[in-house]
Amino acid sequence: GAGVSQSPSNKVTEKGKDVELRCDPISGHTALYWYRQSLGQGLEFLIYFQGNSAPDKSGLPSDRFSAERTGGSVSTLTIQRTQQEDSAVYLCASSLEGTGIVEQFFGPGTRLTVL
Amino acid sequence: GESVGLHLPTLSVQEGDNSIINCAYSNSASDYFIWYKQESGKGPQFIIDIRSNMDKRQGQRVTVLLNKTVKHLSLQIAATQPGDSAVYFCAENMRGNTPLVFGKGTRLSVIA
Repeated sequence: GAGVSQSPSNKVTEKGKDVELRCDPISGHTALYWYRQSLGQGLEFLIYFQGNSAPDKSGLPSDRFSAERTGGSVSTLTIQRTQQEDSAVYLCASSLEGTGIVEQFFGPGTRLTVL
Repeated sequence: GESVGLHLPTLSVQEGDNSIINCAYSNSASDYFIWYKQESGKGPQFIIDIRSNMDKRQGQRVTVLLNKTVKHLSLQIAATQPGDSAVYFCAENMRGNTPLVFGKGTRLSVIA
């Protein structure tokens, strides 16, 4: 079956513009995660969805960042008034629901460049 | 594709040699540890995991060792191949659907 997909693969935008990044999780995966990977850094957690609700938004760096998930499937990460420090690769992962060990499957990421 | 990290620690090994990549994790309460491999332009790919009640787990050509006393995790790759060249991340989390906490990563470069 298909893995996690993300679009666009690359996005170049001007400082101050808004951007939307999309994630399509693996079918049937109820948990969805957004991470950010800056150059030379590891992956930084942003937000996590269980179904359509977000029990953990603790990683969102500012109120310019928001995310939503509809129908328990597709998720959109929105960055308003982009800044140069927002340039990074934004990765999405999904997993089955569980209380034990649950593997997260990653998409290829969206590379965002803010000029 | 572009590299995911230009300033990561780098390990260079000769093809056919064994590789050992180390990681220090942060949370002594973590239940679950994972090694991911990330090739240029791609998302992280699961390699192997280990639960906190174990100290060693073996896969195909890979072994993960966990030392909870010093909060240290290592990945051993036997007979390293050019296709193993990538950035390797360790990650930790609690059980259930919780976010992963990633280490900084190590770039493995295999010399043919």
